[in-house]
Amino acid sequence: KNQVEQSPQSLIILEGKNCTLQCNYTVSPFSNLRWYKQDTGRGPVSLTIMTFSENTKSNGRYTATLDADTKQSSLHITASQLSDSASYICVVSGPLGGYNKLIFGAGTRLAVHP
Amino acid sequence: NAGVTQTPKFQVLKTGQSMTLQCAQDMNHNSMYWYRQDPGMGLRLIYYSASEGTTDKGEVPNGYNVSRLNKREFSLRLESAAPSQTSVYFCASSEPPSALNTGELFFGEGSRLTVL
Repeated sequence: KNQVEQSPQSLIILEGKNCTLQCNYTVSPFSNLRWYKQDTGRGPVSLTIMTFSENTKSNGRYTATLDADTKQSSLHITASQLSDSASYICVVSGPLGGYNKLIFGAGTRLAVHP
Repeated sequence: NAGVTQTPKFQVLKTGQSMTLQCAQDMNHNSMYWYRQDPGMGLRLIYYSASEGTTDKGEVPNGYNVSRLNKREFSLRLESAAPSQTSVYFCASSEPPSALNTGELFFGEGSRLTVL
């Protein structure tokens, strides 16, 4: 069964610290992996999209890595800010053209404290 | 641009009542989607519309119907609401995924539905 597992479920860090969120998946075949940020009470917003041939992708203080061999991805947040408090969702896409082939993880809830 | 707009933002229904969630996008996307988000679970696809005039079932379609009114609008209807349909519903739109397009999803702000 195609699955996307994220860890940890929740995380608390102090402002200014770095953190890394994990995503393991069993989706096959695989075309791309996405990370979304979801603020409380809002819709998810895309942070990065990586194809199977990409190992790393950055978006400001967010850096996503992908190891397609081990089916693992991570999202690293550098110098965290209070505004980084949100849920971070890993999404794996199946075959190209598969409108219904996005598998969503349950998310990691990050709280950044002053 | 407003992006993806959903209405209503909040709704409380009694079991058996019906209602329609409205969604409109102004990005000229061909594909539109309805997802539900429940605590501790990933978003699950209810229905999608690959292009104007077509609709298809997703992972959890039971108890729902959809209408792709035109290219901009995609509505979700609950004919006889049940407590199990208490959830947060998200509409999204994208260009169709292809070799040249990852089909990035743009989400609305969500509609929070409670069925008593």
